[in-house]
Amino acid sequence: SSELAQDPAVSVALGQTVRITCQGDSLRSYYASWYQQKPGQAPILVIYGKDNRPSGIPDRFSGSTSGDTASLTITGAQAEDEADYYCNSRDNGGTSHVVFGGGTKLTVL
Amino acid sequence: QEQLVESGGGVVQPGRPLRLSCAASGFTFSYYAMHWVRQAPGKGLEWVALLSSDGFRNYYSNSMKGRFTISRDNSKNTLFLQMNSLRDEDTAVYYCARDVGLPQTTAFDLWGRGTLVIVSS
Repeated sequence: SSELAQDPAVSVALGQTVRITCQGDSLRSYYASWYQQKPGQAPILVIYGKDNRPSGIPDRFSGSTSGDTASLTITGAQAEDEADYYCNSRDNGGTSHVVFGGGTKLTVL
Repeated sequence: QEQLVESGGGVVQPGRPLRLSCAASGFTFSYYAMHWVRQAPGKGLEWVALLSSDGFRNYYSNSMKGRFTISRDNSKNTLFLQMNSLRDEDTAVYYCARDVGLPQTTAFDLWGRGTLVIVSS
C-alpha cells in the first residue's frame, strides 16, 4: 500500500503565505484532498480534486500537485487557520483503499 | 441541512463486539459512497472502510479486514460499522464521512462529529 508523507509541523507569520506539502507515489495517479482539523472538532474538507474549494472555504486556500507532491497553500494566513492539516488520496495499490498523511500542525505566529 | 450523526460508541472490553451507527439527513443518502475514519487519542486520521452507494462493494484497511464489517440501510439513511474482537489499539473516535464521488479523487465532504470507542478491561 501507499504512504503519504507530511512535515509534522510548520509555522507562518500572520498574513504571510505558507505551503504545506504531502508526498507519495499515489499522487502521481490520484488527486490529494486536504482537511483542516481544530482541537476537539471533526475534520473539514478545504481542498479536493485538481483545486476545488467546498462552499464556505476562503479563497486564500488553494491546492496544486507536481509529480508525487501535493501542496496546500494558504495565502495571507489568519489566526483562525491555526490547526492540523491532513492530506489523503486513493491508494496506489490497484484497490479502492484510502491513505491519509500523518498530518501537519500549522502554527500562526 | 446536511448532517451525519454517529452513535453507539462507549467502553467495551477487549475481545467484545460493538456496532456503530451513522444517521444521515438533509441529502439523498443512497447516492453516495460512505466511509468510516478513526482517530486514536492524540493521533492522526486513519481510514477504516468504504462502502459503495448501493452497498455491494466494500473495502477495508488491511489492519481491520476480517474484524470489521461496514454496511448500510438506504431505506433508513443509516451506515453501520460492526466491530468484532476489539483490541486496545481500536480505541479511537470513529467518524463517518461522505465521499464527494469524483473520479481520481477520494474526498470526504461531510463528516459527523464522531463517536468515541474505548477498549479497556
